[in-house]
Amino acid sequence: EVQLVQSGAEVKKPGESLKISCKGSGYSFTTYWIAWVRQMPGKGLEWMGIIYPGDSDTRYSPSFQGQVTISADKAISTAYLQWSSLKASDTAIYYCARGNASDIWGQGTRVTVSS
Amino acid sequence: DIVMTQSPDSLAVSLGARATINCKSSQSVFYSSNNKNYLGWYQQKPGQPPKLLIYWASTRESGVPDRFSGSGSGTDFTLTINSLQAEDVAVYFCQQFYSTPHTFGQGTKLEIK
Repeated sequence: EVQLVQSGAEVKKPGESLKISCKGSGYSFTTYWIAWVRQMPGKGLEWMGIIYPGDSDTRYSPSFQGQVTISADKAISTAYLQWSSLKASDTAIYYCARGNASDIWGQGTRVTVSS
Repeated sequence: DIVMTQSPDSLAVSLGARATINCKSSQSVFYSSNNKNYLGWYQQKPGQPPKLLIYWASTRESGVPDRFSGSGSGTDFTLTINSLQAEDVAVYFCQQFYSTPHTFGQGTKLEIK
């Protein structure tokens, strides 16, 4: 079965760092782009960026450039989204998704940032 | 960035009737080199990740019922749901993947009248 499985929910304090993961299985992980998408509470979908695990080519939305880092470890078929210093406004569900027209989505990782 | 604007923001349609959702891009998402519109439609139900319904503006994803159809080209696109079913209640998003950032529309909430 083709799937993306994301890491579990996180509760963090402002200023803390965080790295969440997205593990692909059932397909050739290195030959599909992986996108990250943010959904703030009760809001729409925001495209954050995309990585090609085969060569780690990465593109960011200007809205998220410098705010997060997207990476991938093709040896373990896993993509990552990380923050060095979280803010309360980073509270959201974060999805990873396969491909430019995203046909496979992870289940989402809920990140709560609160003091 | 390409701005995607959906209309309406919400709509209520009777069971068995047709629902129409529009999506307009601020610039063309059509590639003449391969004759494709880089436009997708997604359905999101509460508590679930989005689900791809349509890509290349009009190609139905495998397993998607044929009451869902997409049309349009260039900057104007439409998602049509014929014979609305109760399970079609959801928020629908369009997305362009012509150029990064691959922006989404703001979403259209579909309810039963």
